[in-house]
Amino acid sequence: KAGVTQTPRYLIKTRGQQVTLSCSPISGHRSVSWYQQTPGQGLQFLFEYFSETQRNKGNFPGRFSGRQFSNSRSEMNVSTLELGDSALYLCASSGGLAGGYYNEQFFGPGTRLTVL
Amino acid sequence: QKEVEQNSGPLSVPEGAIASLNCTYSDRGSQSFFWYRQYSGKSPELIMSIYSNGDKEDGRFTAQLNKASQYVSLLIRDSQPSDSATYLCAVEGGTSYGKLTFGQGTILTVHP
Repeated sequence: KAGVTQTPRYLIKTRGQQVTLSCSPISGHRSVSWYQQTPGQGLQFLFEYFSETQRNKGNFPGRFSGRQFSNSRSEMNVSTLELGDSALYLCASSGGLAGGYYNEQFFGPGTRLTVL
Repeated sequence: QKEVEQNSGPLSVPEGAIASLNCTYSDRGSQSFFWYRQYSGKSPELIMSIYSNGDKEDGRFTAQLNKASQYVSLLIRDSQPSDSATYLCAVEGGTSYGKLTFGQGTILTVHP
């Protein structure tokens, strides 16, 4: 079974630009969660989508947004990039249901975003 | 108080020893607990999940959960140099679907 894929793997942008990252979950998984990882803050939750609906959102500004498509693929968008947005952006997929292994999250390789 | 705290590292153990990693959490409603391993430059890899009090064993790994004490641990038996990585404790709250709260991680080094 193929794992979670993320594109692109690396991005370099300048302040003020916007960026769109893509995530394809494991086949059959309906939930996609997004995280930001930085050396100072660690792994922080951005938002989660299940069946095209955002179920949960972390404490990030409105510049960070996302969506999910009917095939469970998800995108996240960051507008008006700031230097502090430089990070590894990870998505993880799961079955999305409570109980047992349905909520085990499996991570993609991540997108390394550098903002200059 | 941080929501999920892990024992401060780094942790260094000799090859063949038992490595013990600890984690406490603040949300009593938490239902699901996970341990991830992250090698430098790679993404986190799920190694254990545990949902009920007690022990869960998988090969050289044993996860222990005590909800009354809000404590979860990971034991790695017969540690190998290939176990050297950052270990992340993650917790999912009762109604926080899809949201994992991570500890800051413990760096483990297994030396030959």
